Amino acid sequence: NAGVTQTPKFRVLKTGQSMTLLCAQDMNHEYMYWYRQDPGMGLRLIHYSVGEGTTAKGEVPDGYNVSRLKKQNFLLGLESAAPSQTSVYFCASSYRLAVYEQFFGPGTRLTVL
Amino acid sequence: DAKTTQPNSMESNEEEPVHLPCNHSTISGTDYIHWYRQLPSQGPEYVIHGLTSNVNNRMASLAIAEDRKSSTLILHRATLRDAAVYYCILRDGAGGTSYGKLTFGQGTILTVHP
Repeated sequence: NAGVTQTPKFRVLKTGQSMTLLCAQDMNHEYMYWYRQDPGMGLRLIHYSVGEGTTAKGEVPDGYNVSRLKKQNFLLGLESAAPSQTSVYFCASSYRLAVYEQFFGPGTRLTVL
Repeated sequence: DAKTTQPNSMESNEEEPVHLPCNHSTISGTDYIHWYRQLPSQGPEYVIHGLTSNVNNRMASLAIAEDRKSSTLILHRATLRDAAVYYCILRDGAGGTSYGKLTFGQGTILTVHP
């Protein structure tokens, strides 16, 4: 099993450009999450999904959109990137119940100039 | 969301036990206590979790106070590879609108000396 994979690993954008981050999991997990981590801070939840075709807002959703067309994939989009979105983005997935742990991807380091 | 309080940093020597404390005085009856750690330049990884009873796994032990208002992660013999940020997180087991999300605080930076 590959677990949780993220594409790309690094990206540099100019202000106003758009991009999509891809997260894929091969564990048949129902739940998927997108977090961002700024330097010296813990992770903050951007959006999450509890199943194929469903998405919901987390703590810091502004400036981001998500889609989950297939159970194994969760896409995070930035329509018009801003320097404040410079961060490391982590995707995670888990089974539904709280007794189960979340599995995290390796992260995408995004810089917006 | 119920919050947790952890020391900002702790230090240990290699091959010695480490006790990482966490206070969660507002924990609800359905909250699971989860511990994750984040090695430098990596995503968080699961360490252990529990509800009421103490738990052991190959990585660590989790000691939960009888009133559940605090817990301690125990690394029995620290190695250099255990140097990481350790997060104590409460995960709602009741479902509802929280959908099992993890709320990360600042965590405890563990330094392990050779």
